[in-house]
Amino acid sequence: ELKVEQNPLFLSMQEGKNYTIYCNYSTTSDRLYWYRQDPGKSLESLFVLLSNGAVKQEGRLMASLDTKARLSTLHITAAVHDLSATYFCAVEGGGSQGNLIFGKGTKLSVKP
Amino acid sequence: GAVVSQHPSWVICKSGTSVKIECRSLDFQATTMFWYRQFPKQSLMLMATSNEGSKATYEQGVEKDKFLINHASLTLSTLTVTSAHPEDSSFYICSATLGQSRVWDTEAFFGQGTRLTVV
Repeated sequence: ELKVEQNPLFLSMQEGKNYTIYCNYSTTSDRLYWYRQDPGKSLESLFVLLSNGAVKQEGRLMASLDTKARLSTLHITAAVHDLSATYFCAVEGGGSQGNLIFGKGTKLSVKP
Repeated sequence: GAVVSQHPSWVICKSGTSVKIECRSLDFQATTMFWYRQFPKQSLMLMATSNEGSKATYEQGVEKDKFLINHASLTLSTLTVTSAHPEDSSFYICSATLGQSRVWDTEAFFGQGTRLTVV
C-alpha cells in the first residue's frame, strides 16, 4: 500500500522565519506534487516535480525532490502571513495517471 | 493551467434525498476524471476514477451504488450521492487530467469543490 507521510502536521511560525515541510512516500515515483488549500477552498497547484533532483521555486516557496530517498521538501523562506494555509504533497497512486495519493497535510500558521 | 469547474459549490439536502455534483473541464478534454472526498481537517481520499464512456473504478470501501458516477462526455463527469445521510456530509472535489500522451499532461487540475451538508 502506497503511503505518503508529511511532517509536521501543524506548524506555527513567526513572520520572517524559515522552515521546511517534509514529505516521505513509500514506493518508487518520479513525480510529486505540492498543493495549497485555503480554508473552505479547493486545491491550488504549487509545484510539479518530475524527476530526481528537481528543484522549483516560486516566491518564498521552494520544493525539491529526491526520488532515491523518496523524499520531497517544501522550504519556506522569510514567511509572511499570506502563506498561512494547509499544504499537501501527493504522489501518483498507480492505475490511471492523475490518480493521486495525498499526505495528511501540513497546516501552516504564520503569526506576525 | 487548465480549468476545471465544479457545481454546485455547496448544497444542503434532506436525509434520504439524492444530490448530483457536476465536474466540467472547460478548456480541454478529459478522458479521465477523479473524485475525492475530504472530511473536515483531513486529507483528500480518492473515491473513484471516472473514465469517459466506461464504468467508473471505485476505491476499496466506496459504495458504487451509493456514489453513482457518470462520465458521459469528454468534458463532464457527474457524481450522484443517492439516499444521502448525515455521514455523507463532506467536501467533494473532482480533478481531471489533460491526457496521458505526454509526461506533463498527467498533472491533475482540481475543481472548486462541493460542500455537501445532509440534514
